[in-house]
Amino acid sequence: EPEVTQTPSHQVTQMGQEVILRCVPISNHLYFYWYRQILGQKVEFLVSFYNNEISEKSEIFDDQFSVERPDGSNFTLKIRSTKLEDSAMYFCASSVGLATDTQYFGPGTRLTVL
Amino acid sequence: QQPVQSPQAVILREGEDAVINCSSSKALYSVHWYRQKHGEAPVFLMILLKGGEQKGHDKISASFNEKKQQSSLYLTASQLSYSGTYFCGTEKPGGTSYGKLTFGQGTILTVHP
Repeated sequence: EPEVTQTPSHQVTQMGQEVILRCVPISNHLYFYWYRQILGQKVEFLVSFYNNEISEKSEIFDDQFSVERPDGSNFTLKIRSTKLEDSAMYFCASSVGLATDTQYFGPGTRLTVL
Repeated sequence: QQPVQSPQAVILREGEDAVINCSSSKALYSVHWYRQKHGEAPVFLMILLKGGEQKGHDKISASFNEKKQQSSLYLTASQLSYSGTYFCGTEKPGGTSYGKLTFGQGTILTVHP
């Protein structure tokens, strides 16, 4: 069964460094998302992406964040200058359509900022 | 505004039933239910779209009352594998809000033998 994959599974970085989290969505899906979950808290929406453009972003998704689909398969989240509070599990998700469609989540990347 | 889930935690013995509620102060287009086990990704359970809609598979079902802006997840004859944190994700109608899921704080369900 097709699934969303993410790399790396765990990333440790120093405060102020740039990180790129990678995702490979399910191949026939058109809509891509990033969510984050701080340890012990709820899952929070960051951004949705369609047709090489951001569809919607949350207030968390400030200028330090960017997303890109550099080729036909990968979807990346870049954090330019990491802060301690960026430490969280980051989930990528994808769906075929938008409204009411099932979003399939990847296994997540645990980001630890020291 | 995030949806509010209740209860925050439930402890059951195998075979018992549970209901988890999800309420929103805003009009909803759909409600998505997920289960997350510790250290894993959320796993999709079901989507409810229309007001009054009910869906289910196996012994897990859900309802969506559009007028009351709330959804309930019903777990019957619980199994050990049902343990985890249940999240509802709500989707508001209109434009770019579609696809943006706002999750509740989660309900921790623990099933004991």
